[in-house]
Amino acid sequence: DAKTTQPPSMDCAEGRAANLPCNHSTISGNEYVYWYRQIHSQGPQYIIHGLKNNETNEMASLIITEDRKSSTLILPHATLRDTAVYYCIGRRGGGADGLTFGKGTHLIIQP
Amino acid sequence: DAGITQSPRHKVTETGTPVTLRCHQTENHRYMYWYRQDPGHGLRLIHYSYGVKDTDKGEVSDGYSVSRSKTEDFLLTLESATSSQTSVYFCAISESVELNEQFFGPGTRLTVL
Repeated sequence: DAKTTQPPSMDCAEGRAANLPCNHSTISGNEYVYWYRQIHSQGPQYIIHGLKNNETNEMASLIITEDRKSSTLILPHATLRDTAVYYCIGRRGGGADGLTFGKGTHLIIQP
Repeated sequence: DAGITQSPRHKVTETGTPVTLRCHQTENHRYMYWYRQDPGHGLRLIHYSYGVKDTDKGEVSDGYSVSRSKTEDFLLTLESATSSQTSVYFCAISESVELNEQFFGPGTRLTVL
């Protein structure tokens, strides 16, 4: 799996867009970028993934730079329930051997 | 939410005793995983299964064994529990490894005294 680097913590005001960066400068061409989050004491939750095109779903948007060395997860209108640890994972498609979670970014949404 | 349950949700046991944790799914997903989560380490893969009776080791498999006799159940056994196995254990399922979209259970908090 590609090595990823994320800031350990971030704050965001409720109602504003939360932009979470991830650096994955050594990602290879067949590795996707996945985002999961873990709300306190719960199991991780899948958010979104992408290869090289920007992606959007009902939870978030994923912006991947053209050189694929970094990406940004965007929560468009953050709420208090979005307070969680967010994990960025670089992983090839296929392969049954699980995911590698780093330390992630602890996002705190302020009222 | 994906239909995944874990039992028990909390357990306290003593060093040297055997412990079995159960993961049950109602989604008929082929792939199942056991992770442990400890402060300072994040989630680490213990064992995984890619079908009935098909399992393999993950990053931290020492001291653990698994079994999958039915699609819906994945059991994690600590043959002789040690204090270093005090942790929160998460089960996950996945329909397709091409997508790597895993759904996680609520977790089991295990304390070994």
